[in-house]
Amino acid sequence: GEKVEQHESTLSVREGDSAVINCTYTDTASSYFPWYKQEAGKGLHFVIDIRSNVDRKQSQRLIVLLDKKAKRFSLHITATQPEDSAIYFCAAPGGNYKPTFGKGTSLVVHP
Amino acid sequence: DMKVTQMPRYLIKRMGENVLLECGQDMSHETMYWYRQDPGLGLQLIYISYDVDSNSEGDIPKGYRVSRKKREHFSLILDSAKTNQTSVYFCASSLPPGNQAPLFGEGTRLSVL
Repeated sequence: GEKVEQHESTLSVREGDSAVINCTYTDTASSYFPWYKQEAGKGLHFVIDIRSNVDRKQSQRLIVLLDKKAKRFSLHITATQPEDSAIYFCAAPGGNYKPTFGKGTSLVVHP
Repeated sequence: DMKVTQMPRYLIKRMGENVLLECGQDMSHETMYWYRQDPGLGLQLIYISYDVDSNSEGDIPKGYRVSRKKREHFSLILDSAKTNQTSVYFCASSLPPGNQAPLFGEGTRLSVL
């Protein structure tokens, strides 16, 4: 099945800087790559995804890049704000459409 | 309002007791999921359901079973719960997999003593 590795377990940035979280996957049949945000004690909240037919997608301050050749995708949060502090998860469905998640990146944005 | 609802939110059980976790969604999504989340392990898929009575094992199905008799409801059952099943359990739902990212509930925090 699919394996997803999320490379940064923690990330600390200053308010206004950019944050980048990187994930790699193994199954070339994965066709979309969602990102989720989890605040303390809450469920996972979908923030953005990218499909395999494009290599870049932007939604306000969030940018997702996909490199299918390297089997890598990344989340860029620009102009970070303290409320961006949370745990972020990447995921990939694999060819059998059973979404596999990375282990999460704890992002702290310092004022 | 699109929502996945999990009940109960918190549960304490003794080892050997049976546990029923319930999940509902109001979007008529065909696909529903149960995951557990443990520190350092991320989310692990327990079961996936493609529709009523069409369930498939995930990565860690041992010790769990599921029931889906109506499209809107998906139950996770722990027969004779074990202490290592203490975890946070998340239910999610989506359109057919591969088309849409799953929408998650707020989770059930289960402690097995």
